[in-house]
Amino acid sequence: GAGVSQSPRYKVAKRGQDVALRCDPISGHVSLFWYQQALGQGPEFLTYFQNEAQLDKSGLPSDRFFAERPEGSVSTLKIQRTQQEDSAVYLCASSLGVGQGNTIYFGEGSWLTVV
Amino acid sequence: AQRVTQPEKLLSVFKGAPVELKCNYSYSGSPELFWYVQYSRQRLQLLLRHISRESIKGFTADLNKGETSFHLKKPFAQEEDSAMYYCALRTNTGNQFYFGTGTSLTVIP
Repeated sequence: GAGVSQSPRYKVAKRGQDVALRCDPISGHVSLFWYQQALGQGPEFLTYFQNEAQLDKSGLPSDRFFAERPEGSVSTLKIQRTQQEDSAVYLCASSLGVGQGNTIYFGEGSWLTVV
Repeated sequence: AQRVTQPEKLLSVFKGAPVELKCNYSYSGSPELFWYVQYSRQRLQLLLRHISRESIKGFTADLNKGETSFHLKKPFAQEEDSAMYYCALRTNTGNQFYFGTGTSLTVIP
């Protein structure tokens, strides 16, 4: 595709509900990142995939957060038993290669509101 | 640990005035530094990176390893520069990419 695509763009979830956020990276991009951006804050790193391998999940805030990329392309971020503090924009980004020197491209984000 | 610090949340300058958005970083390895910009209702997009040493839309940024800074500068601000600016650092491995909290720039006509 032309860019990183995320869906849904907007999601309102009731507290305790499970949500799944999808990311379609740019075709052929090896690296995929997930970020959480709370209101008024910069994006906070959640997790990183190289192809289908989740190499870093140090930023996931709790075990309620789970991410996968089973075939090395589309990725899903799942949040179980959502809480109000999960309300944020969730950004997905991808880059063609691995490591420094590769430009990272961002999606428009999925805006999650937990009520 | 805070890896990227942007001390100013808000910055206002008059059109035609010089502008400098500050960024300091903390990282023991060899980082790659970036500036990303987010215009109203648009996605984050790359403005410039230190390894390219280029000028984009009149903006420049120099990596100062002694001061661990990567300040963004433009000699004459334009109204269309009004946006949110994020400084970011990528680690040696490339696996982690840290952002500052951002500076909202408003250029007053």
